[in-house]
Amino acid sequence: DTGVSQNPRHKITKRGQNVTFRCDPISEHNRLYWYRQTLGQGPEFLTYFQNEAQLEKSRLLSDRFSAERPKGSFSTLEIQRTEQGDSAMYLCASSLATGLAYEQYFGPGTRLTVT
Amino acid sequence: DQQVKQNSPSLSVQEGRISILNCDYTNSMFDYFLWYKKYPAEGPTFLISISSIKDKNEDGRFTVFLNKSAKHLSLHIVPSQPGDSAVYFCAAQLDKLIFGTGTRLQVFP
Repeated sequence: DTGVSQNPRHKITKRGQNVTFRCDPISEHNRLYWYRQTLGQGPEFLTYFQNEAQLEKSRLLSDRFSAERPKGSFSTLEIQRTEQGDSAMYLCASSLATGLAYEQYFGPGTRLTVT
Repeated sequence: DQQVKQNSPSLSVQEGRISILNCDYTNSMFDYFLWYKKYPAEGPTFLISISSIKDKNEDGRFTVFLNKSAKHLSLHIVPSQPGDSAVYFCAAQLDKLIFGTGTRLQVFP
């Protein structure tokens, strides 16, 4: 399977704990995006990387959130001191930066539940 | 503020008929518009896109129309099939994607 993969698919954690999610993009894609989706909403942009450089962060990404893409391949999203409001589906997407349409390909997501 | 809006949360269409999903946007700087389809427990799947300099793009049963003066786009699916039943998201691009809230399409026999 050469699509975008995300691990874990589900995560249940207690409030105050730290969690880390991993995303493996399509191998030749140099852009990688993180989104968050809550019930009844569309995906909301969190941050994106071009190769290993983090180019933009949404104001949704509080200082408890950090994302890395150390070698320009896989990426991790860490949430520290989780809160119940962090419960959501976290989606990763990848694309080629062709200068034209950025057609992003999404992974299946990681569903986070904070109890 | 919601820059991309899908005002119909759901749509029900008979198999074989046309499905029309609508989307409105506010920012005239968006350079591309895309439609994604999402099944339960899966990530969104790219369906079709249109450049802001075009007014129509067609791919098989799917056609997207863009009306820049009205800041409106629509996705037409003809003929609709039961396998098209999913949530459809409209998205607009300006470096990143901004998504609407989605329309749940149900195609019944």
